[in-house]
Amino acid sequence: GENVEQHPSTLSVQEGDSAVIKCTYSDSASNYFPWYKQELGKRPQLIIDIRSNVGEKKDQRIAVTLNKTAKHFSLHITETQPEDSAVYFCAAGGGGFKTIFGAGTRLFVKA
Amino acid sequence: DAGVIQSPRHEVTEMGQEVTLRCKPISGHDYLFWYRQTMMRGLELLIYFNNNVPIDDSGMPEDRFSAKMPNASFSTLKIQPSEPRDSAVYFCASSLGLAGRQFFGPGTRLTVL
Repeated sequence: GENVEQHPSTLSVQEGDSAVIKCTYSDSASNYFPWYKQELGKRPQLIIDIRSNVGEKKDQRIAVTLNKTAKHFSLHITETQPEDSAVYFCAAGGGGFKTIFGAGTRLFVKA
Repeated sequence: DAGVIQSPRHEVTEMGQEVTLRCKPISGHDYLFWYRQTMMRGLELLIYFNNNVPIDDSGMPEDRFSAKMPNASFSTLKIQPSEPRDSAVYFCASSLGLAGRQFFGPGTRLTVL
């Protein structure tokens, strides 16, 4: 079955710097790659997603890149702000298979 | 739309008691998922339904756990008997399509003493 690995598990950056979170997946049939943000005590919420017919997608300060050949995808947050502090989950799914979540990255943005 | 609704939001019970968690998915969504989240194990998929039919329950930890979806607008996750190691936040989520965006409910924080 699908396996999603996410790195790093913890990331600390200074406000204004960029943050990058990387994920790899195992099933080449996967074609849907969402990213969720979970603030402390709240539910996971989708922040951006990408499908395999696209290599990159951007939404204001957030961007996701996908390398299907290498089975890698990454989340990039630019100009980080304290409110970006949260746990971020990558996931992989589609191709008739359920979505599998990574273990999460705890991002700290220091003011 | 009110989004995915879960009840109760908090549940404190004693070991050995039966616990029932409830979920109302977003109207029109054909998939419903139950997750468990703990610090140690992260976000685990327990079971998911498609059009009220259980499709994959491979994540259900043991026979003490059971889930039902009697109709398109209601699902339950039951633990009987409960144990302290079941303490976690349980999320319900729904989506349109298996690879669709999943909308999570607010979660139920379960504490088993």
